[in-house]
Amino acid sequence: RKEVEQDPGPFNVPEGATVAFNCTYSNSASQSFFWYRQDCRKEPKLLMSVYSSGNEDGRFTAQLNRASQYISLLIRDSKLSDSATYLCVVTPPPPGGSYIPTFGRGTSLIVHP
Amino acid sequence: DAGVIQSPRHEVTEMGQEVTLRCKPISGHDYLFWYRQTMMRGLELLIYFNNNVPIDDSGMPEDRFSAKMPNASFSTLKIQPSEPRDSAVYFCASSLGQGIGGYTFGSGTRLTVV
Repeated sequence: RKEVEQDPGPFNVPEGATVAFNCTYSNSASQSFFWYRQDCRKEPKLLMSVYSSGNEDGRFTAQLNRASQYISLLIRDSKLSDSATYLCVVTPPPPGGSYIPTFGRGTSLIVHP
Repeated sequence: DAGVIQSPRHEVTEMGQEVTLRCKPISGHDYLFWYRQTMMRGLELLIYFNNNVPIDDSGMPEDRFSAKMPNASFSTLKIQPSEPRDSAVYFCASSLGQGIGGYTFGSGTRLTVV
């Protein structure tokens, strides 16, 4: 099983739709979780951290389910500008002890008019 | 803050040549990461440093790859000799501590080996 798994998509949705992505991780001792956004031919950029209690930032909501080992990202009222690849990041503990970021392959979102 | 700065942005080289990629992390960040991104494999961690010391280089593909961090504000990733399969986008990222606040990426170096 891969450490971090995401559905590659693409998710093709109309403007105004609500869309959700999940990301599963294999190491239950993982510590920190993030969602990153990557536009075509650009670097990944932090979208939001994911907290155990769940967190919201405008139209974006992130949640963590430790029991089932997945994180989720919900985007409400999708905009054309939301079209991008969304990368899930998990920090599992390696033998050395440092929690190092492991990226999923990303989920592609296409928002159309 | 200028963010993480990488150079060059693009590099085209012939097989067998030496390639050096450069990175300047955000001032004050004590972790530095080198990633490689390809369509086939996504983002792969090559090596990371903590306080200029290489901690884990198990992701470095082979001996042709080497990385150094001579001081807190500069790191290099060198490929010698380069091969066509090394063609990818190489990202440098830095963080404060073990990334509780996330990781900041540079713009990347798009390497093409012909």
